[in-house]
Amino acid sequence: GQQLNQSPQSMFIQEGEDVSMNCTSSSIFNTWLWYKQDPGEGPVLLIALYKAGELTSNGRLTAQFGITRKDSFLNISASIPSDVGIYFCAGRGAGGTSYGKLTFGQGTILTVHP
Amino acid sequence: DAGITQSPRHKVTETGTPVTLRCHQTENHRYMYWYRQDPGHGLRLIHYSYGVKDTDKGEVSDGYSVSRSKTEDFLLTLESATSSQTSVYFCAISAPRDPLSLHFGNGTRLTVT
Repeated sequence: GQQLNQSPQSMFIQEGEDVSMNCTSSSIFNTWLWYKQDPGEGPVLLIALYKAGELTSNGRLTAQFGITRKDSFLNISASIPSDVGIYFCAGRGAGGTSYGKLTFGQGTILTVHP
Repeated sequence: DAGITQSPRHKVTETGTPVTLRCHQTENHRYMYWYRQDPGHGLRLIHYSYGVKDTDKGEVSDGYSVSRSKTEDFLLTLESATSSQTSVYFCAISAPRDPLSLHFGNGTRLTVT
């Protein structure tokens, strides 16, 4: 089946630093999404990308849909302690159905030191 | 909160016993999903439903069955639990107008001893 490789697996940063993470696939995806999971809770959608080359922001978060349709990037600017959590990329492959049958990456664990 | 309740939140069971996890939604969304979360694997789709009595398999469906007799409830059953099914199980819902925007419940942590 389709797989997404997410990197890095974990990050330890100081408050105020910028963060970058990415997700790659060997096959084409026609939709990319980024979720965040807080401890003890389910993932929450941060940003959705629907077109190759699309760049979308949500506050301090910016995500891009790679032009090859095989990758996506998430950047967090000026990190704060509440950014701590696990970030997941997710995608729907080309030719997929209209249902939310998403493939998820392995996650990036973000730790922010005050 | 997207109005999703998973029960139980925690369960410990023995190998070979049947287990049923329940997902209840108050959003009247058409699509419902069961995912499992394991370290190093992210979330993997077990089964999904696109309407009452309409279900289909995901990528890791072996050993699991589901039922959806009402719009609001989606049940996940482990017919004979195995240690490899120790995991955190998440239910999610989405609406046809925005099917890829999944809203997740808070999960059920299942331990099979």
